[in-house]
Amino acid sequence: NAGVTQTPKFQVLKTGQSMTLQCAQDMNHNSMYWYRQDPGMGLRLIYYSASEGTTDKGEVPNGYNVSRLNKREFSLRLESAAPSQTSVYFCASSDGASGNTIYFGEGSWLTVV
Amino acid sequence: TQLLEQSPQFLSIQEGENLTVYCNSSSVFSSLQWYRQEPGEGPVLLVTVVTGGEVKKLKRLTFQFGDARKDSSLHITAAQPGDTGLYLCASNAGGTSYGKLTFGQGTILTVHP
Repeated sequence: NAGVTQTPKFQVLKTGQSMTLQCAQDMNHNSMYWYRQDPGMGLRLIYYSASEGTTDKGEVPNGYNVSRLNKREFSLRLESAAPSQTSVYFCASSDGASGNTIYFGEGSWLTVV
Repeated sequence: TQLLEQSPQFLSIQEGENLTVYCNSSSVFSSLQWYRQEPGEGPVLLVTVVTGGEVKKLKRLTFQFGDARKDSSLHITAAQPGDTGLYLCASNAGGTSYGKLTFGQGTILTVHP
């Protein structure tokens, strides 16, 4: 059971470089999300996509862009990475039909030097 | 954005002891979820509480939702080393996007054999 799959697992970037985090889910969920997790701050919502073709900002969207490529895939792009974006990034998905269960990926560890 | 305060931030106990983790907000929760996260993995949903005064049990874990729906607690009886992890409370915005979560800072629990 794959669930929510994120790539890459680990990445080191230099300040100013760009990169894209990929996420795919195989549960036919309508909604997908990107969160970041920093020590002592829990998880914070960056962007979400309620359904295919729509995206909206979350609590901390600055410095990020997203693309809902299709129902399965939701990518997060850092156009010009900054040290403040060093974090662990989690993709998640949910579907109203499954109640309130949200499924998270295993995380992507990003370090910006 | 609703703010969730979790306490304590750290908890280190011996196997067999009992413990309680608290989650509080100044505003009313629409519903509240508790997650457990192990190192290197994403959060996994333990329970969702919706009704004020609700109590749910999951083996040795007991979850309570305050009557006024502004606080919740997680009680673990006879803790085991396998309970070690990060415990997070989260509230969601409701509607069709159940994954739009606001998280508390988390409680890091260590259970020593």
